[in-house]
Amino acid sequence: KNEVEQSPQNLTAQEGEFITINCSYSVGISALHWLQQHPGGGIVSLFMLSSGKKKHGRLIATINIQEKHSSLHITASHPRDSAVYICAVGGGYTDKLIFGTGTRLQVFP
Amino acid sequence: SAVISQKPSRDICQRGTSLTIQCQVDSQVTMMFWYRQQPGQSLTLIATANQGSEATYESGFVIDKFPISRPNLTFSTLTVSNMSPEDSSIYLCSVGRGSGNTIYFGEGSWLTVV
Repeated sequence: KNEVEQSPQNLTAQEGEFITINCSYSVGISALHWLQQHPGGGIVSLFMLSSGKKKHGRLIATINIQEKHSSLHITASHPRDSAVYICAVGGGYTDKLIFGTGTRLQVFP
Repeated sequence: SAVISQKPSRDICQRGTSLTIQCQVDSQVTMMFWYRQQPGQSLTLIATANQGSEATYESGFVIDKFPISRPNLTFSTLTVSNMSPEDSSIYLCSVGRGSGNTIYFGEGSWLTVV
């Protein structure tokens, strides 16, 4: 069993739909990261969470430390949101990360 | 924040050759990491680049195959040696300033070995 599990693996949506991507982990962590990877390969950090909830524009990320679970929500999805969304967890004093396998999102007009 | 310049962005390499990837950060950072992402897979940590000392390699990765340099707090290189088609991957540089801080990634170097 992977230490970081994401679901779903693939997700298609119509423009405007509300999107939820889930991440569960089995190790102790100091922080959880949500990352976005576009087809060219570059990765952008969306959120870093250690507790609670964060919001940035149409993106919302939540984490439940007790349940070892995090969700990434996209409200009013748009075709430009199409990307791979990756959950990664870090522990200890370093920034070494353990990555989930990613969720490939496609939003159609 | 940290802006990372990674070069080359893309290259096609001949089997048996070596290629060096550069990672330049616009400010001093504590931690620098090199990751590999094979086609259709998630990212895997190759090593932590330590300033002024030998890199710390993860299980399955060795210095002879992936020599790393980090001469200062803003620059590192990863060399992929004696390449084979199995080395075709995206290689990513990542930096951080310690636990609890945002992680930054370079744009990646997409290598194809033929």
